[in-house]
Amino acid sequence: GENVEQHPSTLSVQEGDSAVIKCTYSDSASNYFPWYKQELGKRPQLIIDIRSNVGEKKDQRIAVTLNKTAKHFSLHITETQPEDSAVYFCAASNSNSGNTPLVFGKGTRLSVIA
Amino acid sequence: ETGVTQTPRHLVMGMTNKKSLKCEQHLGHNAMYWYKQSAKKPLELMFVYNFKEQTENNSVPSRFSPECPNSSHLFLHLHTLQPEDSALYLCASSQGQPGGGEKLFFGSGTQLSVL
Repeated sequence: GENVEQHPSTLSVQEGDSAVIKCTYSDSASNYFPWYKQELGKRPQLIIDIRSNVGEKKDQRIAVTLNKTAKHFSLHITETQPEDSAVYFCAASNSNSGNTPLVFGKGTRLSVIA
Repeated sequence: ETGVTQTPRHLVMGMTNKKSLKCEQHLGHNAMYWYKQSAKKPLELMFVYNFKEQTENNSVPSRFSPECPNSSHLFLHLHTLQPEDSALYLCASSQGQPGGGEKLFFGSGTQLSVL
């Protein structure tokens, strides 16, 4: 089955700097890669996702890149703000296999220091 | 709010108690999920239901028993739990079939403490 590794487990950045979180996956058939953000005491929420037919996707200050050959994908947050502080989870799945749920990484705790 | 409601928000139980967690989604979704969130395994899938049928049981001990009477309601029945079962239990739903590249909508979770 799929295995998703996520690094780093914790990350501290100064406000205004960029943050990068990296994930690798094992199943070359995986083609859907979402990122979820969980603020302290709140539920995880989808912030961005990418499918294997594109290499990069941007939404304002966040972007995700995908390297299918190397089987890794990354989340990039630019101009970080204190409200970006949260735990971020990457995930992977094969949307063509049917009934195969997302496999999540172990999360990265991002702290943005004002 | 995401349209997924979980009750209770907090639960303290002894190892001999029987309790149930409830999840209800008002989004018209077809799939529902139970996740366990702890420090060791932040988002650990437990069960998946698609159109009320269980499609995944991720090697969960039998002291956890799910029930899905319809596609809007999901229960997790708990009995003779262990202290290591203390965790946040998250319910989620999605429009399409599990693994179909669908967005998950999570509830706020039930924080469970087993004494």
